[in-house]
Amino acid sequence: KQEVTQIPAALSVPEGENLVLNCSFTDSAIYNLQWFRQDPGKGLTSLLLIQSSQREQTSGRLNASLDKSSGRSTLYIAASQPGDSATYLCAVNSGYSTLTFGKGTMLLVSP
Amino acid sequence: DTGVSQDPRHKITKRGQNVTFRCDPISEHNRLYWYRQTLGQGPEFLTYFQNEAQLEKSRLLSDRFSAERPKGSFSTLEIQRTEQGDSAMYLCASSPGVWGTDTQYFGPGTRLTVL
Repeated sequence: KQEVTQIPAALSVPEGENLVLNCSFTDSAIYNLQWFRQDPGKGLTSLLLIQSSQREQTSGRLNASLDKSSGRSTLYIAASQPGDSATYLCAVNSGYSTLTFGKGTMLLVSP
Repeated sequence: DTGVSQDPRHKITKRGQNVTFRCDPISEHNRLYWYRQTLGQGPEFLTYFQNEAQLEKSRLLSDRFSAERPKGSFSTLEIQRTEQGDSAMYLCASSPGVWGTDTQYFGPGTRLTVL
């Protein structure tokens, strides 16, 4: 059974810092990995999707990497802003058509 | 396209009552998924449809839960005889492909509170 772990559970940084969120998964036989953002009480917004054959994906200030063999992914956020404050969720697609999520990292960026 | 929509956004009910939620996926998306999220946890898979066919159900989906997707368009999730443990955010997602490896696009969710 696939299990996804996200570290840290919560992170507080001052505006402008670069930061890294970590995601690990137990079964390396995945099709892809997706990073989501969730604002309090809201649904999920897809940020980046990395296929199993890819090493990284970039969108604006966000960069996600994937090391499938070691079961790890990182989400790098450059020059953080208060508007980045949210919970970030990592989800793995193991090819059974459903996503397995971690519990998320709650990020607070203070002005 | 306006994205995935869900209705209602919030539902408060008394224990023992039945509730029904609706999800409208992105137009022409073949797959539709239901997830449940409790406070402080990531979403957990409940069930999914390929067009109108329900192809998989999680063990979380007890016999009090039923989902339909008539005509392969919108979907409904019904919970009968609600219990306090059913209180959660119910999320719907859709994806365009038939292989299940595409990006899943999520709706805003329906928050259920069972008193």
